Amino acid sequence: NAGVTQTPKFQVLKTGQSMTLQCAQDMNHEYMSWYRQDPGMGLRLIHYSVGAGITDQGEVPNGYNVSRSTTEDFPLRLLSAAPSQTSVYFCASSYSPTYEQYFGPGTRLTVT
Amino acid sequence: GESVGLHLPTLSVQEGDNSIINCAYSNSASDYFIWYKQESGKGPQFIIDIRSNMDKRQGQRVTVLLNKTVKHLSLQIAATQPGDSAVYFCAESPGANSKLTFGKGITLSVRP
Repeated sequence: NAGVTQTPKFQVLKTGQSMTLQCAQDMNHEYMSWYRQDPGMGLRLIHYSVGAGITDQGEVPNGYNVSRSTTEDFPLRLLSAAPSQTSVYFCASSYSPTYEQYFGPGTRLTVT
Repeated sequence: GESVGLHLPTLSVQEGDNSIINCAYSNSASDYFIWYKQESGKGPQFIIDIRSNMDKRQGQRVTVLLNKTVKHLSLQIAATQPGDSAVYFCAESPGANSKLTFGKGITLSVRP
């Protein structure tokens, strides 16, 4: 049981490039979410999903896309990277938002 | 707007003392509250949660208190240890299938 895994751990992008941050969980959790963490800002919700085929926007969705084709995977796509997207990104999963969320180890993204 | 926040950005305590970390929330519809601990370079880890039909819940060395009248949540850590040094986040949700909103975090520093 690996829990929540995220790849890559580190990534450097140039402005305008696109990429996908991968997130997978093996706990059969319905609820998955993506957060970004910036100094002094805490964790801010980007997108979330309550089950396969269902996604919704969080607090800061602009510039990001998600899809949920399977229960296990919840990739986050950056369409055209901007320096403002430099951050640490965390994926999390749980049975529902009102149960303990398990977080992945994070992806540190730098956009130059 | 609705928000979850913490009173103090940092807290320094002597090893062996009890720590109290406070959190205010403004959404009177909040039904579920949770505390997370984040160590440097890692994802947040679940500490303890509480639902709105309770006012106290105890775990191993930790206690969460909920005062719905004044919309206040606190985390008490007994006999604080160096390993408790971390950033602590409170979070809240209005209920099932509603997203979790995090506060900005407070740093707990344990003095030897």
